[in-house]
Amino acid sequence: GENVEQHPSTLSVQEGDSAVIKCTYSDSASNYFPWYKQELGKGPQLIIDIRSNVGEKKDQRIAVTLNKTAKHFSLHITETQPEDSAVYFCAASLMDSNYQLIWGAGTKLIIKP
Amino acid sequence: DGGITQSPKYLFRKEGQNVTLSCEQNLNHDAMYWYRQDPGQGLRLIYYSQIVNDFQKGDIAEGYSVSREKKESFPLTVTSAQKNPTAFYLCASSIADSNEQFFGPGTRLTVL
Repeated sequence: GENVEQHPSTLSVQEGDSAVIKCTYSDSASNYFPWYKQELGKGPQLIIDIRSNVGEKKDQRIAVTLNKTAKHFSLHITETQPEDSAVYFCAASLMDSNYQLIWGAGTKLIIKP
Repeated sequence: DGGITQSPKYLFRKEGQNVTLSCEQNLNHDAMYWYRQDPGQGLRLIYYSQIVNDFQKGDIAEGYSVSREKKESFPLTVTSAQKNPTAFYLCASSIADSNEQFFGPGTRLTVL
């Protein structure tokens, strides 16, 4: 079955710098890769996603890149701000009728003032 | 306001007691999911339901039970058979044939 690995587990960056979180997946048939942000004590919220027919997608300070050949995808946050501090999860979807998401273990992003 | 509600936010129970966690959505979504989250780990799927009166086991269904009698409701019962029930429980929903899941605020269950 699908397996998603996420690195690093913790990332600390200076405010204003960029942050990059990487995920690898095992099932080459996966075609949907979302990124969720979870603030303390809350449920995850979708922040950006990408499908396997595109290589990059941007939304203001956030971007996601996908390398299908290498089976990895990354979240890029530029000009980081204190409100970016949270836990970020990547996921990949199985190519079957259940549309289940397989989740990475999460990255705790700390923005230092 | 459309969304997913989970209640209560915090729940305490004694060991050996069954407990039911509520999940309600008014998004008119067909599919609903229950996940368990432990510190430093990703989300693990407990049960999911794609249609009323039907549900399937996820990766860690042992010790849990669900029902889906109404489209908007998907309660989760944590039974006394669950060996380590203390965790953060998240409910999610999605439209049919979609990967995008919307999450509720979660319930933190502590078994004493």
